[in-house]
Amino acid sequence: NAGVTQTPKFRILKIGQSMTLQCAQDMNHNYMYWYRQDPGMGLKLIYYSVGAGITDKGEVPNGYNVSRSTTEDFPLRLELAAPSQTSVYFCASRVTGVSHEQYFGPGTRLTVT
Amino acid sequence: AQSVTQLDSHVSVSEGTPVLLRCNYSSSYSPSLFWYVQHPNKGLQLLLKYTSAATLVKGINGFEAEFKKSETSFHLTKPSAHMSDAAEYFCVVIGTSYDKVIFGPGTSLSVIP
Repeated sequence: NAGVTQTPKFRILKIGQSMTLQCAQDMNHNYMYWYRQDPGMGLKLIYYSVGAGITDKGEVPNGYNVSRSTTEDFPLRLELAAPSQTSVYFCASRVTGVSHEQYFGPGTRLTVT
Repeated sequence: AQSVTQLDSHVSVSEGTPVLLRCNYSSSYSPSLFWYVQHPNKGLQLLLKYTSAATLVKGINGFEAEFKKSETSFHLTKPSAHMSDAAEYFCVVIGTSYDKVIFGPGTSLSVIP
């Protein structure tokens, strides 16, 4: 199993540009999450999904959109990039049940200038 | 609402000496508690988890944590630090009726040779 994969690893955007961060998992997990990590901070939840076709907002959803058309994929869309969105983005997934253990991807480092 | 506090933003220990990373939580429900480790420029890896079974939880790489309900604490310990333990450590809380995940701000552990 590849686990949770994220692309790209690095990206530089200009203010106002758009992009999609890709996330895929091959563990057949129903739950998937997007987090951002700012320097010296913990992770903040952006959006999450409990299954294909179902998404919900986390703590910091403004400026982002998600979709979940398949169990495997959970892309994160930035429509109008702003410097405040400079961060490292992590995708995670977990199996349904009481374990709650999340498996993390390697992250995408995004800079908006 | 759930919250988590990590009392030290940075801890420095000598190789071979004990490690103590402190975590206090607040939860309206019986919480699930986790410790994750993040090595530089890497994703997060689960160290250990508490999900209402034994209060003393053993994890990978010699780490363990004790759940103390009366003190609302879940401190992470290791008897003898190794250079490879230098990393960022995150305490995480999840309420049993809550799909969202709350990360602490992290504690950076340095190990001095």
